[in-house]
Amino acid sequence: DTGVSQNPRHKITKRGQNVTFRCDPISEHNRLYWYRQTLGQGPEFLTYFQNEAQLEKSRLLSDRFSAERPKGSFSTLEIQRTEQGDSAMYLCASPPPTTMNTEAFFGQGTRLTVV
Amino acid sequence: DAKTTQPTSMDCAEGRAANLPCNHSTISGNEYVYWYRQIHSQGPQYIIHGLKNNETNEMASLIITEDRKSSTLILPHATLRDTAVYYCIVRVAGAGGTSYGKLTFGQGTILTVHP
Repeated sequence: DTGVSQNPRHKITKRGQNVTFRCDPISEHNRLYWYRQTLGQGPEFLTYFQNEAQLEKSRLLSDRFSAERPKGSFSTLEIQRTEQGDSAMYLCASPPPTTMNTEAFFGQGTRLTVV
Repeated sequence: DAKTTQPTSMDCAEGRAANLPCNHSTISGNEYVYWYRQIHSQGPQYIIHGLKNNETNEMASLIITEDRKSSTLILPHATLRDTAVYYCIVRVAGAGGTSYGKLTFGQGTILTVHP
């Protein structure tokens, strides 16, 4: 257990529906990252928060995707009008608040299946 | 961040050492080598990282060549639970921005440990 919690672990939704995932990082970590991982590939960066500010977004994050981190605590990732291509594992990572190189703690991910 | 090249898959007998190679010939002087692994249906797990000296922790050893163009992750006594995808990542050191949380994953090496 890394201390990073993601819910739900699995989500099956019909195409066109909206879905929302939640990440609870380690409480004293002010940075939070979202990644997406499709089958057979490594995780790909989606977006980054420092406290409540969203500082970087990947071009992978289309306008159907929105992420928030109110009050700099937990974060949510919403996908509107889901498509089959959105089927993937969505991972949240929480690096410690240091200025030195260090590890990132990942949650166990939310696996989304769009049918 | 520098690109890395890893073999697609490797096998190892239980109890033997697993040596996982990684080429990073375009690595810059301020880039660290990181290793993560991902066990099926879980988030990536940090293993070890280094700059130019060899490193060892309770999980593994990291051997970096003198020219830093390649490295080897060594699991000294592989167990069945070490079966996973192993990712070698090279990224810039330092504080600020997104660099020290944002990880660029390749496809990794699928390590299978067999009895």
